[in-house]
Amino acid sequence: AQSVAQPEDQVNVAEGNPLTVKCTYSVSGNPYLFWYVQYPNRGLQFLLKYITGDNLVKGSYGFEAEFNKSQTSFHLKKPSALVSDSALYFCAVTSGGSYIPTFGRGTSLIVHP
Amino acid sequence: NAGVTQTPKFRVLKTGQSMTLLCAQDMNHEYMYWYRQDPGMGLRLIHYSVGEGTTAKGEVPDGYNVSRLKKQNFLLGLESAAPSQTSVYFCASRPWGSGGHNEQFFGPGTRLTVL
Repeated sequence: AQSVAQPEDQVNVAEGNPLTVKCTYSVSGNPYLFWYVQYPNRGLQFLLKYITGDNLVKGSYGFEAEFNKSQTSFHLKKPSALVSDSALYFCAVTSGGSYIPTFGRGTSLIVHP
Repeated sequence: NAGVTQTPKFRVLKTGQSMTLLCAQDMNHEYMYWYRQDPGMGLRLIHYSVGEGTTAKGEVPDGYNVSRLKKQNFLLGLESAAPSQTSVYFCASRPWGSGGHNEQFFGPGTRLTVL
C-alpha cells in the first residue's frame, strides 16, 4: 500500500520569504513523487516530479523539491514567495507498475503581502 | 491541443435525478480517472480506466458508473443523485508509461449540487 501525508493544512508566509510545504510518503519499492498546484476554481496543474537521479528537482514557477529517501520526504520549496503563489498544493506518490497515484489531502499556502 | 475538457462546468440536480458528466482528452492518453474533491478530504478516486473498453473501481465508487467506449472519452454517470454526491468532480488523464512515472493532466472540474 502507498500513502502520502501533508502534515500542515495551511502554511502562511510573507511575500519575499522562503516557503516550504511538507510531504512525507510510504510506498513499497521506489517512489515516484509529484507536486501539483490548484488555483481557486481550477483543476490541478503539474508542478514537478521526482523519478530518479538528482535529489533536488526543479519545476515550474520557481518551485523546487528535495527528495530525501532516509526521511521518506519530498518537501516543496521556493526561495522567495509571491502573493500569486497562494493556492492549494497536493503531493502525490506512485510506485513501479502502479496506475493509481495516491494524493495527500492538500496544503493551503497563503502568501501575505 | 485543448487538453482535458469537462462538460458541464456546473449543474444542479434534485435528489433522484440522473446525469452524465463527460470528460474528453485529445492527447491520446491511455489512462483516465474520475475524482471528487470535497473540503478537507483531498481528492478521492471514483473510477479509472487503463484503456478503451476497460474500467475499474476506485476508492469511492458507490452511486457512480462509468464507461469508456472511445479512447478519448470517459463518462461518469449518476443514476440516482443524492445530496452526498454534491462535490466538485475532476477528470484526469495520463499517458502510458511503465512504472507509473508520468504525471496526470486534469480538467477544469464540474461543480455539482444535489438538492
